[in-house]
Amino acid sequence: DVKVTQSSRYLVKRTGEKVFLECVQDMDHENMFWYRQDPGLGLRLIYFSYDVKMKEKGDIPEGYSVSREKKERFSLILESASTNQTSMYLCASSPSGGSSSYEQYFGPGTRLTVT
Amino acid sequence: AQSVTQPDIHITVSEGASLELRCNYSYGATPYLFWYVQSPGQGLQLLLKYFSGDTLVQGIKGFEAEFKRSQSSFNLRKPSVHWSDAAEYFCAVEPLNTGFQKLVFGTGTRLLVSP
Repeated sequence: DVKVTQSSRYLVKRTGEKVFLECVQDMDHENMFWYRQDPGLGLRLIYFSYDVKMKEKGDIPEGYSVSREKKERFSLILESASTNQTSMYLCASSPSGGSSSYEQYFGPGTRLTVT
Repeated sequence: AQSVTQPDIHITVSEGASLELRCNYSYGATPYLFWYVQSPGQGLQLLLKYFSGDTLVQGIKGFEAEFKRSQSSFNLRKPSVHWSDAAEYFCAVEPLNTGFQKLVFGTGTRLLVSP
C-alpha cells in the first residue's frame, strides 16, 4: 500500500514563528502536493512538485514556501506564521505518466493552530 | 469561470436508504473526474474515477458514479448506506489544460447517517 506520512497530527505555534510541515511518501512517486483544507472551502492547492528541487505555485502560495531535496520528502514552510494560516494541511503524492498519475494518495493531515 | 460545485453542504440519510451526492463542473472540455472520501481524522481516499468510456463507474465500498455530459455532472450513488459511510465526500476534477496533474476539488458534502 502507498503510504504518505506527515510529521505531526496536531501542531500549535505562535504568531511569527517559522513552521515546518514534513511529508514523506514511500512509493517513489514523482509528484507531491500540499493542500490546505478549510470548512466550506474544500481543499486548495498551495504548492506542488513534479521532481526533486522542482516546485510550482498552486492557487494560494502566499505566505508559504516549499522544499524538495529528496524524492520522498516534501516540506511546507511557513516563514512567519499568522493566525489566518490556522488550518488543516494535507500532503499528497502521485506517480507521473499514464492514467494512474491522476490518482493522488493523501496523508492523514496536520491540524495547525497559530495563536 | 471554471469550477467544481457540490451544492449540498450536508446530507442526512437513514441507514439502509439510498444515497446520491451531486457534483457539477464547469470546464470547456470534459475533465477527468474523481470522488474522494474523508473519514473523521483521516486523509482522503479515492472512491472512484472517470477518464472515458462507460459512463457508469464502479468504485470501492459499494459506491458508483454516473457521468452525464449533457448535464456536466458526476453524481455519486450508493444503493444502501451503512453507518460507516458517515464522512465528508469530495468531488474533484483534473482540467487537462494545466500541463500538470493537478486536481481541483469541490467544497465537499458531509454525510450524516441516522439510525
